[in-house]
Amino acid sequence: EVQLVESGGGLVKPGESLRLSCAASGFTFMSYSMTWVRQAPGKGLQWVASISSTGTYIEYGDSLKGRFTISRDNAKKSLYLQMNDLRAGDTAVYYCARDKGPYSNSLQHWGQGTLVTVSS
Amino acid sequence: DIQMTQSPSSLSASVGDRVTITCQASQDIGSYLNWYQQKPGKAPKLLIYVASSLETGVPSRFSGSGSGTDFTFTISSLQPEDIATYYCQQYDVVPRTFGGGTKVEIK
Repeated sequence: EVQLVESGGGLVKPGESLRLSCAASGFTFMSYSMTWVRQAPGKGLQWVASISSTGTYIEYGDSLKGRFTISRDNAKKSLYLQMNDLRAGDTAVYYCARDKGPYSNSLQHWGQGTLVTVSS
Repeated sequence: DIQMTQSPSSLSASVGDRVTITCQASQDIGSYLNWYQQKPGKAPKLLIYVASSLETGVPSRFSGSGSGTDFTFTISSLQPEDIATYYCQQYDVVPRTFGGGTKVEIK
């Protein structure tokens, strides 16, 4: 069974940093692209960033590149999101998700999400 | 960025009704469109990919159609367990934007 478990969320002050992790199991992690999607409280979904299976290709949502960095460690079967200079607008549940397959870009499996709250 | 405009933003229908949601892209995205279902407090679930392909295990009352800029998502016979918010997402161009969502309720 595919499982994605996010961790690392919490309450931080504006300007601080946070690193989210997503532990994967139940599939060959190194074979799939992975994505972070976030959802502000009571709002819709926002695509954050994606990384290819080898980590070669990385894409970011607008306005996030430069503050957010997506990475992965295939040996540890883990996905990461380093978030710097956090702002109130970054407050959201952050989901990691796995693509359906090679070149798919359809998010077939999702974690339960981790809440990031940015507040002074 | 490609803007994805969903309508309506919410709807109320009776059990057994046919429900239709539309999603319009601000530019041609071919068939690179997903539909997701999100129930309260839960992660989204992939229902439809490539505009009209039904994800494995998803009931056949769900369907999708369209290409280019205009897409439709249909529930042929609304069931109580279909209460959720539905999102379209284009994946033709980065950033892979989502629509604003359609909240479906039972009348």
